[in-house]
Amino acid sequence: SQQGEEDPQALSIQEGENATMNCSYKTSINNLQWYRQNSGRGLVHLILIRSNEREKHSGRLRVTLDTSKKSSSLLITASRAADTASYFCATGEIQGAQKLVFGQGTRLTINP
Amino acid sequence: DTGVSQDPRHKITKRGQNVTFRCDPISEHNRLYWYRQTLGQGPEFLTYFQNEAQLEKSRLLSDRFSAERPKGSFSTLEIQRTEQGDSAMYLCASSLSPGLSGYTFGSGTRLTVV
Repeated sequence: SQQGEEDPQALSIQEGENATMNCSYKTSINNLQWYRQNSGRGLVHLILIRSNEREKHSGRLRVTLDTSKKSSSLLITASRAADTASYFCATGEIQGAQKLVFGQGTRLTINP
Repeated sequence: DTGVSQDPRHKITKRGQNVTFRCDPISEHNRLYWYRQTLGQGPEFLTYFQNEAQLEKSRLLSDRFSAERPKGSFSTLEIQRTEQGDSAMYLCASSLSPGLSGYTFGSGTRLTVV
């Protein structure tokens, strides 16, 4: 079963604008990760934020995590056409397999 | 190291046939995972190996599915007596420290059962 809800399901913006995607989850987590998937391809790891962290940056990406609200957001600044893809949040288990449980994703389209 | 490799990229098979997919993980990664993704959905966990041991299987993995990882290197996922509902993208991922550095995914095998 899928862990979280992502919002919005689809987002279309102009190149150069910022894109914000939100993710909510249900259970306690060890970490939360964001992945990008281009159409028909595998997933690319973007950023990992641990449960004791509140914010993390990587290039044009900014991720926040609010464990009290069980939510996270991914901000992509100064978007480019190449950012067009589906973005998934995934929560990492605390123990065991440490498998990821994915949300349904946000389909992001950057218009030139 | 060229990342996680999956073979084949695409497979079309008739209902009732058996299919086998292969995954070659990053060589130093001891953890290997299989996921299944249907159109418009996020990936769903199927099974997990640590080295050669299969340590966890999802309830999604029916008796028709079997996975192996001999010698803790490459892994195979076999589906017997395929059904149309098996049509999906099958993704393999490997990791050394998933809680620190995440997973590396392969490009997937897209299975179409006709």
